[in-house]
Amino acid sequence: AQSVTQLGSHVSVSEGALVLLRCNYSSSVPPYLFWYVQYPNQGLQLLLKYTTGATLVKGINGFEAEFKKSETSFHLTKPSAHMSDAAEYFCAVSGNQGGGADGLTFGKGTHLIIQP
Amino acid sequence: KAGVTQTPRYLIKTRGQQVTLSCSPISGHRSVSWYQQTPGQGLQFLFEYFSETQRNKGNFPGRFSGRQFSNSRSEMNVSTLELGDSALYLCASSLAAGGWSPLHFGNGTRLTVT
Repeated sequence: AQSVTQLGSHVSVSEGALVLLRCNYSSSVPPYLFWYVQYPNQGLQLLLKYTTGATLVKGINGFEAEFKKSETSFHLTKPSAHMSDAAEYFCAVSGNQGGGADGLTFGKGTHLIIQP
Repeated sequence: KAGVTQTPRYLIKTRGQQVTLSCSPISGHRSVSWYQQTPGQGLQFLFEYFSETQRNKGNFPGRFSGRQFSNSRSEMNVSTLELGDSALYLCASSLAAGGWSPLHFGNGTRLTVT
């Protein structure tokens, strides 16, 4: 069984400030971790993923996330927020290790608000 | 390369009716998954298909079903609609089945049941 907790349903930052969206996961097997972004009336777009290898993962639009196994965390950061970053962000975990698929388990999402 | 296409974008149905939603995956993608998104429950996994076979199914009643065709296109069907079925239904495709393969989502079909 796996689960994802995203701390803060709403996060507000000023334009140009650091963005930090928190994600903690629970998985009985080594996880695959993902961050997705959803803009209004659209589907989800992949920002970045961690599967194996380097624990600091860089994604699109200047976002990055660090996999910390000891803290079971996969927080998303961006050094400088832009107005266009305002959206809903979802952290997701998959515990599939190659035999069958159990789908992604998503967090409840964090609504990122950018203040001008 | 064209993205995942879902049709229709919007649907309004009455309780008790049935509905069929369609999804065309990215060319070359053989895995198609379906998710339900609601404000209360968030994103929930419905099922995944790979090479016309259902690989797994989420915790939804049997009224929810799906299938995949030989060209990888997929449909999902909901019978005997209930008010609680109102949601955004998202289809996603991926190159391969397996948790490591990222999902590419369509824009969804918004179903309203009255």
